[in-house]
Amino acid sequence: DVKVTQSSRYLVKRTGEKVFLECVQDMDHENMFWYRQDPGLGLRLIYFSYDVKMKEKGDIPEGYSVSREKKERFSLILESASTNQTSMYLCASTGVAGDETQYFGPGTRLLVL
Amino acid sequence: EDQVTQSPEALRLQEGESSSLNCSYTVSGLRGLFWYRQDPGKGPEFLFTLYSAGEEKEKERLKATLTKKESFLHITAPKPEDSATYLCAALAFSGGYQKVTFGIGTKLQVIP
Repeated sequence: DVKVTQSSRYLVKRTGEKVFLECVQDMDHENMFWYRQDPGLGLRLIYFSYDVKMKEKGDIPEGYSVSREKKERFSLILESASTNQTSMYLCASTGVAGDETQYFGPGTRLLVL
Repeated sequence: EDQVTQSPEALRLQEGESSSLNCSYTVSGLRGLFWYRQDPGKGPEFLFTLYSAGEEKEKERLKATLTKKESFLHITAPKPEDSATYLCAALAFSGGYQKVTFGIGTKLQVIP
């Protein structure tokens, strides 16, 4: 079974703080993704990565950055948290061609005060 | 622009009352259609992937089907534990990368 884990289930941060969200997958997957999920808006892609040290912007990258130093780990960074970044953050990973199913982690619910 | 629309937004069923959830999509070059189940406060849990029109997949009380324009998730004799939000997502390839477009989901409540 694919296992995707996220470093925190719940986080409370102050406006202006730097926030790190970590995601680890144990299936040697090439591709990893960060989404945020908001009521009425569904899942929106922030960033994705197809290889170590590689990153691509998704649909809503503003205010975020990412890091992928090792294949199994993909980090999302909020450089200066703002209240409009309060959301549920979901990490996903997929294998190579032939298995494009995205497997999700449990999510991190972030509250920015 | 790729779009995935799910209906209804919310559905309330009595235990044992079968029904279907709809997912219609407008996607250039569909490569696959995913169904997920999501419980409150948790990440989406993978259910099915469908790759071509006419394909069907089943798991316990759930059956997913795919046509060229839409997918259905049929729930037969649902139980209260089937209560969850069901997400549909369409996979395409854009600029050499995979792109997944999600619907907003159908929130299902099954009443004992």
